[in-house]
Amino acid sequence: AQRVTQPEKLLSVFKGAPVELKCNYSYSGSPELFWYVQYSRQRLQLLLRHISRESIKGFTADLNKGETSFHLKKPFAQEEDSAMYYCALTNNAGNMLTFGGGTRLMVKP
Amino acid sequence: DSGVTQTPKHLITATGQRVTLRCSPRSGDLSVYWYQQSLDQGLQFLIQYYNGEERAKGNILERFSAQQFPDLHSELNLSSLELGDSALYFCASSVAAASSYNEQFFGPGTRLTVL
Repeated sequence: AQRVTQPEKLLSVFKGAPVELKCNYSYSGSPELFWYVQYSRQRLQLLLRHISRESIKGFTADLNKGETSFHLKKPFAQEEDSAMYYCALTNNAGNMLTFGGGTRLMVKP
Repeated sequence: DSGVTQTPKHLITATGQRVTLRCSPRSGDLSVYWYQQSLDQGLQFLIQYYNGEERAKGNILERFSAQQFPDLHSELNLSSLELGDSALYFCASSVAAASSYNEQFFGPGTRLTVL
């Protein structure tokens, strides 16, 4: 069975500080991992996917198969980064997303 | 709005009742997905339809059913409602249901409260 764990429900940092949102997964196959973000009063939206290896809004995430992790990082947090972040995994068919419990990031001025 | 739309936004009903949630996918998207977000279970995949056919099933209760119509909108039917069914129900759509991931675009959700 596939499972995604986000150990922190809340992460509070000051503006300009580095941010790391943790995500661990279990999956018996070759996983495809994503980070979704939900800003206040907005829809859940894709932030980035591991396969594209992009940096979006200054965020990056590296898939570590040895540690089964896909942590989301940003060197300098901004107040507009405050949101709910979900790590997700998809099955081989690519049609079923399994989400972690989410981490609420609060960036204080 | 060319994005995913869901109606109603809020629904309050009583235990034992039946409700229908509606979702219209983005223009051009053939796949529709339903997710349930509750406080204790988090965001869980329920079911996927692609061009009118059921494609994948997740943790969907037997009391729940869904369908996708020829115009590609989808309905999620919840019956014999229990207090524990209170949750936010999201619909998402994607272009296809191919063997690799297609980005899913989410709707604003329907908040169901069962009293």
